[in-house]
Amino acid sequence: GESVGLHLPTLSVQEGDNSIINCAYSNSASDYFIWYKQESGKGPQFIIDIRSNMDKRQGQRVTVLLNKTVKHLSLQIAATQPGDSAVYFCAEIPNAGNNRKLIWGLGTSLAVNP
Amino acid sequence: GAVVSQHPSRVICKSGTSVKIECRSLDFQATTMFWYRQFPKQSLMLMATSNEGSKATYEQGVEKDKFLINHASLTLSTLTVTSAHPEDSSFYICSAREGAEGGETQYFGPGTRLLVL
Repeated sequence: GESVGLHLPTLSVQEGDNSIINCAYSNSASDYFIWYKQESGKGPQFIIDIRSNMDKRQGQRVTVLLNKTVKHLSLQIAATQPGDSAVYFCAEIPNAGNNRKLIWGLGTSLAVNP
Repeated sequence: GAVVSQHPSRVICKSGTSVKIECRSLDFQATTMFWYRQFPKQSLMLMATSNEGSKATYEQGVEKDKFLINHASLTLSTLTVTSAHPEDSSFYICSAREGAEGGETQYFGPGTRLLVL
């Protein structure tokens, strides 16, 4: 079932620094992973995705790394800006048995200090 | 592309009344739409999955008679909270997915803040 967080870990970075947000996913059979950004009072916004046949994927200022051996996913944000302040969620989709529904991580709150 | 809208963005209602929330995919056809509920500082909790033209599939513990879902077209799904109570106050978010050929990424609406007095 979907995981529900009870609290949010917080990452605080200086503007211009690189940020790394980590996520441990739950299902070794998951074959699709997505990072979402959620600003306060808004719905989640798609950032980047990766399939299990890849280890790395790059977007604009963002990179997602997938380590299937330890079931770990990370999101790297280069030159972090104040507008990057938000809660970041990883989500996974198992390759069978749940109708391709998202399973959510707990979320990490990113605070960018000017 | 892949824009999803929700209406209303905020609603305040009296206990016992019903509230309808609309979710629209603006620039794509959504074969599947999802309805979520989110509590403060928590991740999203899936309530139900709806496929166009068929009955919604509800997650365990979600009352289907309480949360009525209609997915009448490929661009519109509605969630009706019936006989609302203060404990139904929450942030409700929909998402839409094109389907297998269009990809399986879910695109989210901006959310609806419901306050039941």
